[in-house]
Amino acid sequence: NAGVTQTPKFRILKIGQSMTLQCAQDMNHNYMYWYRQDPGMGLKLIYYSVGAGITDKGEVPNGYNVSRSTTEDFPLRLELAAPSQTSVYFCASRSLQETQYFGPGTRLLVL
Amino acid sequence: GENVEQHPSTLSVQEGDSAVIKCTYSDSASNYFPWYKQELGKRPQLIIDIRSNVGEKKDQRIAVTLNKTAKHFSLHITETQPEDSAVYFCAANQAAGNKLTFGGGTRVLVKP
Repeated sequence: NAGVTQTPKFRILKIGQSMTLQCAQDMNHNYMYWYRQDPGMGLKLIYYSVGAGITDKGEVPNGYNVSRSTTEDFPLRLELAAPSQTSVYFCASRSLQETQYFGPGTRLLVL
Repeated sequence: GENVEQHPSTLSVQEGDSAVIKCTYSDSASNYFPWYKQELGKRPQLIIDIRSNVGEKKDQRIAVTLNKTAKHFSLHITETQPEDSAVYFCAANQAAGNKLTFGGGTRVLVKP
């Protein structure tokens, strides 16, 4: 089991560029999540999904989009990168009432 | 929705002493309370969790207690060691069970 994997590990974007952060899990979890963590701060939920084809906004969804076409994959899309989106992005997955596992994170710098 | 408050935000202890972190939650229907440890530059990792049908759970030097009436739960670390230095997050599941609400985190520093 690879658990939760994320790519890339690190990326530098210019203002206005777009990119997709990839997340995959091989534990057959229904629930998947995207968080952002600013330096020295806590975890803020961006988007989540309770199953393939179903997504919902978290507390900070502006500037992001997601899709969930399969159980395994949950990509996060940034359309017009802004300096405020400089952060570490964590993907996570879990089954209902079970442990939530985090991916290793993607460090994003927008200049 | 659920609101989770965590205190203190920073905690400095001498090696060998105990550390206690407290969290309160707002949704009385929450029934699952995990604790995560995040070392610098790493992902959060589960260290212990408790469900609402028990009041206390221990795993070696780590214990968690839950008071459902008061809606608070606490993490206790005994005989602290330098490798316990990290940020600790508490969380509670929402009544619908589909997502966790995290506390703001506690930065623990264990001084040798």
